[in-house]
Formats: sequence, C-alpha cells, structure tokens
Amino acid sequence: GQQVMQIPQYQHVQEGEDFTTYCNSSTTLSNIQWYKQRPGGHPVFLIQLVKSGEVKKQKRLTFQFGEAKKNSSLHITATQTTDVGTYFCAGYLGGNQFYFGTGTSLTVIP
Amino acid sequence: DTGVSQDPRHKITKRGQNVTFRCDPISEHNRLYWYRQTLGQGPEFLTYFQNEAQLEKSRLLSDRFSAERPKGSFSTLEIQRTEQGDSAMYLCASSYRQVTDTQYFGPGTRLTVL
Repeated sequence: GQQVMQIPQYQHVQEGEDFTTYCNSSTTLSNIQWYKQRPGGHPVFLIQLVKSGEVKKQKRLTFQFGEAKKNSSLHITATQTTDVGTYFCAGYLGGNQFYFGTGTSLTVIP
Repeated sequence: DTGVSQDPRHKITKRGQNVTFRCDPISEHNRLYWYRQTLGQGPEFLTYFQNEAQLEKSRLLSDRFSAERPKGSFSTLEIQRTEQGDSAMYLCASSYRQVTDTQYFGPGTRLTVL
C-alpha cells in the first residue's frame, strides 16, 4: 500500500502567491527527500531532511520535517513561473529504497 | 555530460513483444535504481543494484521483468511479453554509495504498448 501520501494533488496559484505541499506517512521516517519534476522532465533532487523538527531554506523554498518525523512540508514564497512542476517527497523507512509520494502539481498563472 | 543517460528515450511496441532499456549511471556511483512512473503518480521502485548485485526487487516486478548490471556499470531492464499495462515512463537513477545519498535521475524511457 501507499507508504507516503501527499496533498494536494494539484494547486493553481497566481504568480506571487505562496504555495505549500504536505507529505504524510503513517510510519516514522528516518529521512525525507524532496524532488522537483518539470513538465516532460525527470525528478531533480532538492533537499534532504534528517532531524526531527528540522527546517531548511533554499531562497524562496522552506522545507520542514515534523517533530514526530511523520510529516513534512515544502513552502514556496511568492511563486514564479519557473516554479511550475510537480513536487515529490520521498520518505526513507530503512532498507534500500525511498518511497515517493504521489506528488503535487503546481501551476503558476502569470 | 556526466549525468545519468537512458536509451532509448521512447519505445513503441506491440503487445507480446519484448523490449530492453539501457541505463548508464554516473561513473563513480555504486547504487543504481529502476523506477516506473505513470501519469499523476510518483516514481515506483522496481529494483536496486549495489555494484553488480541486484539486492532488492519490488513485488511490482513480475517474472516478465528482468534487470542486470554486468560489471557494475550500465544496467538493462528487459520486459518480456509486454502488456498494455506496462505502458509507463521507466526511470533510472544512480547514487554514490549510501542509500540516503542524492539520487540522480536519467531522462527516462517512455514505453507505449499498443
């Protein structure tokens, strides 16, 4: 069954508005990674979170890992058209693989 | 370019035919992964190699699927007796050594089974 759930599935925002996608797991995660996939492209690694309650920033992107390490979020401030794409979280529960979420497809309306 | 490459980029085949895809990982990467991605879904893990050893296979990987990584370099994924449900994007990714190292994805092979 699905290990990692992600919401919302789709999000349309006006350029300049903020955007947030949420990732939830029923199981405590060891690590979580975030990827971006542009339309027609392949997933590209953005960041990895490891510690409980960790917050990391990359310019307009803020990534959080929940205190219980069961959820994570990606927040984009003042979206731009270059932010268009699908954002995936991928959770690590041990073993040899990460479990990818279903992704949130972001459309930015100019 | 020293990224992950995949060949072919697109493959159209008739149901029942066999197909083979190739992945060339980043040269110093020990780990190689195969994923399948369908529209609106995230990548689904298929199998994983540590050097030449195939160490894990998903339950999704039926006996029609086989993967190899001879000499721990490039990898091939073969699908025998293709079915329409096999239509998807097949992604390859490689990472350096640890499972938590960054995975670098290739451009994928889009398979269409008619």
